[in-house]
Amino acid sequence: GESVGLHLPTLSVQEGDNSIINCAYSNSASDYFIWYKQESGKGPQFIIDIRSNMDKRQGQRVTVLLNKTVKHLSLQIAATQPGDSAVYFCAENHYGGSQGNLIFGKGTKLSVKP
Amino acid sequence: EPEVTQTPSHQVTQMGQEVILRCVPISNHLYFYWYRQILGQKVEFLVSFYNNEISEKSEIFDDQFSVERPDGSNFTLKIRSTKLEDSAMYFCASRGGTAYEQYFGPGTRLTVT
Repeated sequence: GESVGLHLPTLSVQEGDNSIINCAYSNSASDYFIWYKQESGKGPQFIIDIRSNMDKRQGQRVTVLLNKTVKHLSLQIAATQPGDSAVYFCAENHYGGSQGNLIFGKGTKLSVKP
Repeated sequence: EPEVTQTPSHQVTQMGQEVILRCVPISNHLYFYWYRQILGQKVEFLVSFYNNEISEKSEIFDDQFSVERPDGSNFTLKIRSTKLEDSAMYFCASRGGTAYEQYFGPGTRLTVT
């Protein structure tokens, strides 16, 4: 069945280092992927998204890479800051077949050490 | 910057009672969603709503759940007879007509005792 999962439940990095958060998906029909950041007690906050016709997309300090061959998605955060500490979720959708219900992974907790 | 808002932030109710969770989506958005997140777990899709009707719903969204857009700004989720396992954070989300990204509200924490 459809599933989106994360390889690492927790990630601890030093302030200033780059962070890489990984995600695997199993539905080859998924055509849209999105990363959310969730701070404690708050709702998911949009970070960056990518469509399946792309393999890389860059934002401010963040880059999403999509490898459709192995159904893998990653979020790279450059020069990680204490404010980046949060749980990061990847989510997928097959917009060609639905109105957009996102299927979320379990989340990776990112801790940034000063 | 426009944002999704939700009320109340925390709702405590007794098992068997009805609750209504309220959301005000971003004003020019056309697609509306409810998700829930049980403590420590992933976010789960409940229902999507477009053009004044349900587009899709998950297995979680059984007959005890209903959604409504009573006016041009509010979007509500009703749980008719709450169960202990309904305790969770409930998030409302919305998106525009052509964009794919969904914007989430801050959530309502529902505690069923």
